[in-house]
Amino acid sequence: NAGVTQTPKFRVLKTGQSMTLLCAQDMNHEYMYWYRQDPGMGLRLIHYSVGEGTTAKGEVPDGYNVSRLKKQNFLLGLESAAPSQTSVYFCASRYHGQGFSNSPLHFGNGTRLTVT
Amino acid sequence: GDSVTQMEGPVTLSEEAFLTINCTYTATGYPSLFWYVQYPGEGLQLLLKATKADDKGSNKGFEATYRKETTSFHLEKGSVQVSDSAVYFCALSDPLYSGGSYIPTFGRGTSLIVHP
Repeated sequence: NAGVTQTPKFRVLKTGQSMTLLCAQDMNHEYMYWYRQDPGMGLRLIHYSVGEGTTAKGEVPDGYNVSRLKKQNFLLGLESAAPSQTSVYFCASRYHGQGFSNSPLHFGNGTRLTVT
Repeated sequence: GDSVTQMEGPVTLSEEAFLTINCTYTATGYPSLFWYVQYPGEGLQLLLKATKADDKGSNKGFEATYRKETTSFHLEKGSVQVSDSAVYFCALSDPLYSGGSYIPTFGRGTSLIVHP
């Protein structure tokens, strides 16, 4: 049982390049989230999804797009990377059934992105 | 809206010292409360949780009690080890907060450094 798997683990981009971060979960969770973590800023929610085919904006969505074509996968795209997007990106998923507010998030190990 | 406030770090302790990391919250409804731990280079993982007032969550020697009267969920451990060095996040999940039932609210994290 792999849980939440993020690829790639590390990436260096030049300003203006694009890339897609992949998140895959094998727990049949409906809810999935993308966060970024920066020193002194804690976790900030970029986008989230409450089911296949649905996405919604979080706290800091600008410069990012997402897609949830399959229930187990949640993709985060950067169309034109900027140095301000240098960060560690975490994906998480969550159980969606009865009493879901009691259920924790399950996190991947992150993607460390540097934009030069 | 909901919010979580944690004490700022870093918290620096010697091995076998007593640990307290303060966490207070504001919430619209009756939230569930969580502590997550993030070891270097990894994603967050659930440490413990409590789902109603006066509940005590515990795991790996850590404890936290859900105090509704003081809106607090302080994390404690009687004797810390070097291996406890990590960042600790307090979080809540409030089913009554409009839109927030899908999105947990996190504190900014508290770094713990334990010296031998």
